[in-house]
Amino acid sequence: AQTVTQSQPEMSVQEAETVTLSCTYDTSENNYYLFWYKQPPSRQMILVIRQEAYKQQNATENRFSVNFQKAAKSFSLKISDSQLGDTAMYFCAFMKLGNTPLVFGKGTRLSVIA
Amino acid sequence: NAGVTQTPKFQVLKTGQSMTLQCAQDMNHNSMYWYRQDPGMGLRLIYYSASEGTTDKGEVPNGYNVSRLNKREFSLRLESAAPSQTSVYFCASMWSIGKDTQYFGPGTRLTVL
Repeated sequence: AQTVTQSQPEMSVQEAETVTLSCTYDTSENNYYLFWYKQPPSRQMILVIRQEAYKQQNATENRFSVNFQKAAKSFSLKISDSQLGDTAMYFCAFMKLGNTPLVFGKGTRLSVIA
Repeated sequence: NAGVTQTPKFQVLKTGQSMTLQCAQDMNHNSMYWYRQDPGMGLRLIYYSASEGTTDKGEVPNGYNVSRLNKREFSLRLESAAPSQTSVYFCASMWSIGKDTQYFGPGTRLTVL
């Protein structure tokens, strides 16, 4: 079975600074997907970024980028130029190929301070 | 295009009551999922439906039943609610191979007294 671990329950960052959220996972699969989802106080689950394991290039989406280390089974999220609207819970998630469910970490609560 | 919709948004039940949470998607997705979110636990899978006509148990299926009514709709039923089922419930859907990203509904906050 796959597991996802987020070792930082809470983090804070000053507005305009950079912060990195950690995620590690365990799997015997060779091909899979990794995701970061954001959950603001509205409760909506919002996809931030997605990475295919077969791609060596790290995914980027505007201010959000990942550091994907397949051998180390590590998938960290970097948020640059942090904004107050980035305040949210962030969940790392793993998915095998095909019509399979997501396996989530327990989340990291990020607070951006003005 | 509403995406994934869930009803109701909030619900309070008494122990032993039954109810059905409704989920619908208008993206022509094949797969649909029900998760529950509890404080400090992340999201855990209750049931999923890989395609119309099929359902499978997830990590925490006890006390729940599901129905994939058609391609659009996937309902979750609590036959006899218990306080341990107090949670936030999310429905999600996904197309299939090649577009493997799950999209979530807004969630239902359920309290069982």
